[in-house]
Amino acid sequence: ETGVTQSPTHLIKTRGQQVTLRCSSQSGHNTVSWYQQALGQGPQFIFQYYREEENGRGNFPPRFSGLQFPNYSSELNVNALELDDSALYLCASRTDRGYGYTFGSGTRLTVV
Amino acid sequence: TQLLEQSPQFLSIQEGENLTVYCNSSSVFSSLQWYRQEPGEGPVLLVTVVTGGEVKKLKRLTFQFGDARKDSSLHITAAQTGDTGLYLCAGPYNTDKLIFGTGTRLQVFP
Repeated sequence: ETGVTQSPTHLIKTRGQQVTLRCSSQSGHNTVSWYQQALGQGPQFIFQYYREEENGRGNFPPRFSGLQFPNYSSELNVNALELDDSALYLCASRTDRGYGYTFGSGTRLTVV
Repeated sequence: TQLLEQSPQFLSIQEGENLTVYCNSSSVFSSLQWYRQEPGEGPVLLVTVVTGGEVKKLKRLTFQFGDARKDSSLHITAAQTGDTGLYLCAGPYNTDKLIFGTGTRLQVFP
């Protein structure tokens, strides 16, 4: 399978709930990163995983957590959802050699 | 504090015009990337520049990396409606954590 696939594409949750977003990367893409993007702005780095270990984190609270699995899939978990968590969440991955990342189409999360 | 500042924030032009988008930082980057993002999609990599002073061309798009590796520019010649989108510069920070610029939204009218 080629490309990066994210699911679901859209999601509506209530404040205080928990959510899990999923990403399936290409084989050989050992690095996966997650981003939060507000409308019209650049993506903000949440965290990055390399071979199932977190190796970088942005300025996001601990209620944002993640996992990377051996089959090149990963997930982003957000606990205690707040209204400001409403955004497009992007997953991106790359190989060990390349500079550029391949992005998924994102999950649009709305918190009401 | 944004490490990568882009200007202008918005650009609205007619088809056939030329334009330049700038990406500036006070920090040195080992490389910089440019992405284009269309509504409902994730960013798509256009180019990576790695050497100070480097110039890369992709059809009507010309990318330049500053000599000091603190800035980059994207020039589009004879813009087309298909160039419409959000243009993002990005660079590795703290080894390989990729951070993005503030973005430039380009609208090209027929």
